[in-house]
Amino acid sequence: ETGVTQTPRHLVMGMTNKKSLKCEQHLGHNAMYWYKQSAKKPLELMFVYSLEERVENNSVPSRFSPECPNSSHLFLHLHTLQPEDSALYLCASSQDPGATNTEAFFGQGTRLTVV
Amino acid sequence: RKEVEQDPGPFNVPEGATVAFNCTYSNSASQSFFWYRQDCRKEPKLLMSVYSSGNEDGRFTAQLNRASQYISLLIRDSKLSDSATYLCVVNGAGGYNKLIFGAGTRLAVHP
Repeated sequence: ETGVTQTPRHLVMGMTNKKSLKCEQHLGHNAMYWYKQSAKKPLELMFVYSLEERVENNSVPSRFSPECPNSSHLFLHLHTLQPEDSALYLCASSQDPGATNTEAFFGQGTRLTVV
Repeated sequence: RKEVEQDPGPFNVPEGATVAFNCTYSNSASQSFFWYRQDCRKEPKLLMSVYSSGNEDGRFTAQLNRASQYISLLIRDSKLSDSATYLCVVNGAGGYNKLIFGAGTRLAVHP
């Protein structure tokens, strides 16, 4: 059973819709991440939050807007997406944002389809 | 050049075979290295960390060559349950935990 929970598991949205992805971690970690996984591509790091502060925005379009209200919750707000944004969106957390030898624990992902 | 490069495979091997995966990374400042496993339509999970001296966990052996910026994973006595995609992961420089993933190598073990 994963300590990182993502909802919803599946989402279909139109290009004019606004939706949000939610991630919650029960592991007491201090860093949280959003990754995007498209078909036949490596996981792409989108955002990193360390101690609730955004430390990385990996050239992600503004139609993706992250929010980290506390160290246990992470949101990804979506608006006016494009069909090419369809992908698996994975949330992850790790224990110590300053440590470089710490594994990341992933949620099960939200499979997003933009129509 | 990609930050982390892997042969995508697939590697199709019979049960009991030994199979090796390789990975190269571009950032010489990288400090930590991992192999993750991802099953079809599931999230990635840590298989093992990779240490400078090399390390073994049961049937799995990981090696690191910092001079060549090269990481390997050896699987002995393959099982059907080893079928998955194996992701080479490198921690990028930046002062915080930033994992960079390779595209993965797909392994299919058949009876």
